[in-house]
Amino acid sequence: QQQVKQSPQSLIVQKGGISIINCAYENTAFDYFPWYQQFPGKGPALLIAIRPDVSEKKEGRFTISFNKSAKQFSLHIMDSQPGDSATYFCAAIVSGNTPLVFGKGTRLSVIA
Amino acid sequence: DGGITQSPKYLFRKEGQNVTLSCEQNLNHDAMYWYRQDPGQGLRLIYYSQIVNDFQKGDIAEGYSVSREKKESFPLTVTSAQKNPTAFYLCASRKWGGAGETQYFGPGTRLLVL
Repeated sequence: QQQVKQSPQSLIVQKGGISIINCAYENTAFDYFPWYQQFPGKGPALLIAIRPDVSEKKEGRFTISFNKSAKQFSLHIMDSQPGDSATYFCAAIVSGNTPLVFGKGTRLSVIA
Repeated sequence: DGGITQSPKYLFRKEGQNVTLSCEQNLNHDAMYWYRQDPGQGLRLIYYSQIVNDFQKGDIAEGYSVSREKKESFPLTVTSAQKNPTAFYLCASRKWGGAGETQYFGPGTRLLVL
């Protein structure tokens, strides 16, 4: 019940296209859902995050869509660029000081 | 310049040797974490600490040990009992409290076995 299932494992998108990464969870106590971006050889960095009281959050080309009833959330990258090529992790956490629960990651390659 | 520092960037371990990875943060965060990342794999939690002098095992604690004597520091020792230590090790920290607090990661230490 503590798992976050992320798909796909890898994704290849043409430059200018839309990249979509999906995550699903079971624990309805999760109340914060961040996405992290990691470039090779670097530590992950927070990209965007959402709480379950909103269905969508947009920051520039990055959008999180959240479906509370389906217990799913997804990251959309509009107008994908080669510089977006990285590994993306979804995560979830219950309020308090418990550790983040991470998905297994999606390796995104944006090709010209 | 606030953040998390990890040292060294690369570390080589010989058979039967214990090695210690350093993690320091100046963000005044209460909680600190250690993760292991294998090539093409996700982040696996080794240990975490919510306050000084207290820490909990994560999902893959066997073969590792930690200490938390100071709020700013959370060193990880990879013991000789860890038979497959080659990986990228990431330290992270987060402010105590609400779920909305951002978790920050350090730049990582790559551990290789000679």
